[in-house]
Amino acid sequence: GQNIDQPTEMTATEGAIVQINCTYQTSGFNGLFWYQQHAGEAPTFLSYNVLDGLEEKGRFSSFLSRSKGYSYLLLKELQMKDSASYLCAVKTQAGTALIFGKGTTLSVSS
Amino acid sequence: DTAVSQTPKYLVTQMGNDKSIKCEQNLGHDTMYWYKQDSKKFLKIMFSYNNKELIINETVPNRFSPKSPDKAHLNLHINSLELGDSAVYFCASSQDLNEQYFGPGTRLTVT
Repeated sequence: GQNIDQPTEMTATEGAIVQINCTYQTSGFNGLFWYQQHAGEAPTFLSYNVLDGLEEKGRFSSFLSRSKGYSYLLLKELQMKDSASYLCAVKTQAGTALIFGKGTTLSVSS
Repeated sequence: DTAVSQTPKYLVTQMGNDKSIKCEQNLGHDTMYWYKQDSKKFLKIMFSYNNKELIINETVPNRFSPKSPDKAHLNLHINSLELGDSAVYFCASSQDLNEQYFGPGTRLTVT
């Protein structure tokens, strides 16, 4: 079976750094994606990792360890607008759809 | 210029009815998808489709059927609607197997 785990909820304060972890056990691996979804809106793409290591994009970074079946999304200098759900998703094979985790709801307070 | 669009945005209907949701992408992508997001916000693939192959998630009831008149459109038809079909349905598209772009979603409520 396919299993993707991430924490259900996290809280943090403005200006802080938060790390959202994701572990996966899937029948194959062809890349890991992170999406952000604000309430009532569509998911929007944040990052993509297919090789081990860290990908940095502005305030957001994503890390992947394929041997450990593990990824994290790092958000720096948190802002109120970062309050959203963060979805970890795995593509198991080329040409297939994404398998999503249940998402982590991040609440940023002032 | 909306990349992936869906209509309608909201759909309220009664049990037993048949309804359709339309999706169009203007990105020139070769693959389109339908996802269902339930009340617990869990996003689950229903179908993926390119001009050669339809892949159906085995858990999807056969009351649901995708129809693609052309490469830029993938519509979702639902027959004999049930209460459990109430959810938000997202269309998405991708090119070269990379990131997927999602439409704004259709909130379906079955009463």
